[in-house]
Amino acid sequence: GENVEQHPSTLSVQEGDSAVIKCTYSDSASNYFPWYKQELGKRPQLIIDIRSNVGEKKDQRIAVTLNKTAKHFSLHITETQPEDSAVYFCAADSNYQLIWGAGTKLIIKP
Amino acid sequence: KAGVTQTPRYLIKTRGQQVTLSCSPISGHRSVSWYQQTPGQGLQFLFEYFSETQRNKGNFPGRFSGRQFSNSRSEMNVSTLELGDSALYLCASSNGQGVYNEQFFGPGTRLTVL
Repeated sequence: GENVEQHPSTLSVQEGDSAVIKCTYSDSASNYFPWYKQELGKRPQLIIDIRSNVGEKKDQRIAVTLNKTAKHFSLHITETQPEDSAVYFCAADSNYQLIWGAGTKLIIKP
Repeated sequence: KAGVTQTPRYLIKTRGQQVTLSCSPISGHRSVSWYQQTPGQGLQFLFEYFSETQRNKGNFPGRFSGRQFSNSRSEMNVSTLELGDSALYLCASSNGQGVYNEQFFGPGTRLTVL
């Protein structure tokens, strides 16, 4: 079946530095790529998404880039803050469902 | 608007038993999806319901089933429980059909199978 690979599984960055999480997908027909953030003990929440007709999308300190040819997309967080500590999930649509990456635990060091 | 709610929040069952989980979506949302979340595995899609019809199903055995009522509330049933079914089960509702809309998750039901 189709899959989404997400790297790294754990990312530790100094507060104020940037963080990048990468995902690759297998279904060349995928057109929708959301990112969800799940804080400890809380439910996942959508933070940003991108569709295949767009190469990059920004929302304040977060941005997502998409390379359809290479079938990968990335989440970029700049000027990281303690509240960015969470598990981040990427996903891609395939056959009318979302296929999820395994998650990246982002740790912000003070 | 009230968020997505799930009941019960915690369940402990033994192998071979069955369990029913409930999900109430955000008012007005007609799509409800169910996911299994286990450490290191991310979210695995179980199924999606829209207007009482199952529109899509993930790669889970037939022991996992669900339904949706006319008020959009949804239930998930797992029969003949196995140890490997221990997980957090999340439901999510969305405003519209399909996966291209933001999914609003419930707090989850943590199922432990002994």
